[in-house]
Amino acid sequence: QQQVKQSPQSLIVQKGGISIINCAYENTAFDYFPWYQQFPGKGPALLIAIRPDVSEKKEGRFTISFNKSAKQFSLHIMDSQPGDSATYFCAASPGNNNDMRFGAGTRLTVKP
Amino acid sequence: DAEITQSPRHKITETGRQVTLACHQTWNHNNMFWYRQDLGHGLRLIHYSYGVQDTNKGEVSDGYSVSRSNTEDLPLTLESAASSQTSVYFCASSVGASVTQYFGPGTRLTVL
Repeated sequence: QQQVKQSPQSLIVQKGGISIINCAYENTAFDYFPWYQQFPGKGPALLIAIRPDVSEKKEGRFTISFNKSAKQFSLHIMDSQPGDSATYFCAASPGNNNDMRFGAGTRLTVKP
Repeated sequence: DAEITQSPRHKITETGRQVTLACHQTWNHNNMFWYRQDLGHGLRLIHYSYGVQDTNKGEVSDGYSVSRSNTEDLPLTLESAASSQTSVYFCASSVGASVTQYFGPGTRLTVL
């Protein structure tokens, strides 16, 4: 049973558009929520992360929105670029326990 | 430059054979992890270690073992490879109480 559910499985966006990927979790012990970006043939790389004490975190064109009561969080990519085409994974981890649980991934394609 | 490496990058083996995948990091990180990545499942934790002589089972540990004899290495052994273990395997590491994990480039394992 997947503890972190991610949607959509795939997403196609035009250059300059907004990409939105959603995740939901069940375990209320989770308190660290990272997003990883993975290019073909490479390992995942940390993109941005949030703790539940804030509702939003922004780094450049990437924003995480967090809704603790709904147990949902999302990644927004503003002004999407073809170079953003990759697979994105959300994840969740409880406290300092490194037992990270990942979503199934979203394959993003940004068309020029 | 400090890094995390995996070897081999590609491996084909037969059912029933013992296989060992290597992971080596030069960051002096305490924590090391092994994941498998399968379509529709994202990354799933196999085993992890918080330091030398420490190993812990993850979500999908059956059929796998690890040992940690030094800080730099965490080899993953498949005792008797099965076709269900065909996957891409990623090693990761993190420092101390930090939950930020750094991933290696992956090993694609095919069990025939």
